[in-house]
Amino acid sequence: NAGVTQTPKFRILKIGQSMTLQCTQDMNHNYMYWYRQDPGMGLKLIYYSVGAGITDKGEVPNGYNVSRSTTEDFPLRLELAAPSQTSVYFCASSYSKDTAGAQHFGDGTRLSIL
Amino acid sequence: LAKTTQPISMDSYEGQEVNITCSHNNIATNDYITWYQQFPSQGPRFIIQGYKTKVTNEVASLFIPADRKSSTLSLPRVSLSDTAVYYCLVGDTGRRALTFGSGTRLQVQP
Repeated sequence: NAGVTQTPKFRILKIGQSMTLQCTQDMNHNYMYWYRQDPGMGLKLIYYSVGAGITDKGEVPNGYNVSRSTTEDFPLRLELAAPSQTSVYFCASSYSKDTAGAQHFGDGTRLSIL
Repeated sequence: LAKTTQPISMDSYEGQEVNITCSHNNIATNDYITWYQQFPSQGPRFIIQGYKTKVTNEVASLFIPADRKSSTLSLPRVSLSDTAVYYCLVGDTGRRALTFGSGTRLQVQP
């Protein structure tokens, strides 16, 4: 099983550019998440989704958009990139039933805005 | 969301038992306690999860007292490869919006 796959692994953007970070999972998980992690810090939740067609804001949603048209895919869109969005972005998924569940993480996308 | 407090860093030597305590005074009835491990340049990896008392797996043990206001992750006989950041998370099974704090940076020395 591939688990959670994120692309690209690295990207450099210029201020004002836009891009989409891709995330796909093959575990049929209903919940998916996007986090960002700044150097030396913990992860902060950007957006999450409890199923196809349903998304909700996390702690730091400003400057980002998401969509969830399928169970497998949960892309994160950056509009008008700013230096403050330089970070490592992690996508995760989990299957909720009776427990908080274990979130399975991808290897991250390292994004630099210059 | 329940806020968690854990030590910023800990040092240990190979072969020792390491206990990392996490405080979560505002834990809610539906919340589970979950610990993750993160190595540099990798995403966090699930270690263990529990609701009350004690949970043990092949990697670690999790001790949760009756009031559930804290929890302790126990790593038996650590090795150099256990050097990582360990996160304690407390989550609502319904909303599932877990919050990662700054974690505990564990450094294991020979």
